[in-house]
Amino acid sequence: GDSVTQMEGPVTLSEEAFLTINCTYTATGYPSLFWYVQYPGEGLQLLLKATKADDKGSNKGFEATYRKETTSFHLEKGSVQVSDSAVYFCALSDMNYGQNFVFGPGTRLSVLP
Amino acid sequence: DSGVTQTPKHLITATGQRVTLRCSPRSGDLSVYWYQQSLDQGLQFLIQYYNGEERAKGNILERFSAQQFPDLHSELNLSSLELGDSALYFCASSVDYNTEAFFGQGTRLTVV
Repeated sequence: GDSVTQMEGPVTLSEEAFLTINCTYTATGYPSLFWYVQYPGEGLQLLLKATKADDKGSNKGFEATYRKETTSFHLEKGSVQVSDSAVYFCALSDMNYGQNFVFGPGTRLSVLP
Repeated sequence: DSGVTQTPKHLITATGQRVTLRCSPRSGDLSVYWYQQSLDQGLQFLIQYYNGEERAKGNILERFSAQQFPDLHSELNLSSLELGDSALYFCASSVDYNTEAFFGQGTRLTVV
């Protein structure tokens, strides 16, 4: 079945550092890809999405590009802030195979001032 | 605010009891998902409904059941509760199968 793999962390960075969180997926169809963020004590919020190969999703300074050739959807941000400290989840949804959302294990990010 | 409403926000109950968690999806969303989030097992998919019918089933225990009503709200029933059922239970909704899902704030269940 479909699956998502991402670096589990925790990842600790200093403010203004560059962030990369790797995400790779396995899917039998042509999934849509998502990054969700969970701040402490809250539910998951959609951060960005991409629905087809080479699409770039972006939001709040975060970016991720749908790479079909490497089955990847890595999350990047050029300069992180303390307020970006959260857990980040990579996910896919594959309509062609009737899949529900499949989430990766989540990556905890801590940004230090 | 995602538009997905979950009640109650917190629930404390004893082992062996039964509880019902409720979810109201965003207006217009036909699909409802239930997830369990615990510290050691991450986000586990339980079950999905689409327009009143069960669409997909994940790692849902036989002690758990769910349904989606004609007005599209959903309930997750947890029975014969065990200590290990203590977790955050999230509901999410989406318009269709592979459009983005919007999550509620979750119900924190504590079984004592």
